[in-house]
Amino acid sequence: DTAVSQTPKYLVTQMGNDKSIKCEQNLGHDTMYWYKQDSKKFLKIMFSYNNKELIINETVPNRFSPKSPDKAHLNLHINSLELGDSAVYFCASSQVTQGGEKLFFGSGTQLSVL
Amino acid sequence: DQQVKQNSPSLSVQEGRISILNCDYTNSMFDYFLWYKKYPAEGPTFLISISSIKDKNEDGRFTVFLNKSAKHLSLHIVPSQPGDSAVYFCAAKDTGTASKLTFGTGTRLQVTL
Repeated sequence: DTAVSQTPKYLVTQMGNDKSIKCEQNLGHDTMYWYKQDSKKFLKIMFSYNNKELIINETVPNRFSPKSPDKAHLNLHINSLELGDSAVYFCASSQVTQGGEKLFFGSGTQLSVL
Repeated sequence: DQQVKQNSPSLSVQEGRISILNCDYTNSMFDYFLWYKKYPAEGPTFLISISSIKDKNEDGRFTVFLNKSAKHLSLHIVPSQPGDSAVYFCAAKDTGTASKLTFGTGTRLQVTL
């Protein structure tokens, strides 16, 4: 009963391929995100969806297309993979409480583009 | 432009002692700050947060201090335990804009026996 689950955990693929990463949250949160952690360990937001609608797109190449079929799912599809796409991708969802907003992360997908 | 900086990539502390992790930010609009802890092969998990209306927030062994004039926050862990060994990320947000957390690059804490 993992709160935010993403699959696959590891993804090794050739340059030019198209791949997808799936994410599901069972926390009932309205907002979901994709973050990228690059080789320098920066955790950078890519996209944010609120109730299936895109609210943040942080200048991500349009080879990256998020899809939210419902508010519990936010999948990430990547076309024409490049070497520089190699990174760890984290899905997250958020809850706004009296104390502020908290993000709950999945365990990450390590993408290696060869 | 790195708006949240953790200048110490690593820190080693003896078990039982205090661990102090530091974070600096440049964006004066940030008004909400969080610390996340990350173990290898896992996603970051929320640890503690602080709003800019406070200068201190405590939760068990973890205390976060905020110095707004210096644009600096720190996480204190007392006493440090081996299970605290992880990477700690500082994050900040301007709550007046759309949801977006800006993260630092993390500090790897090693608690030794």
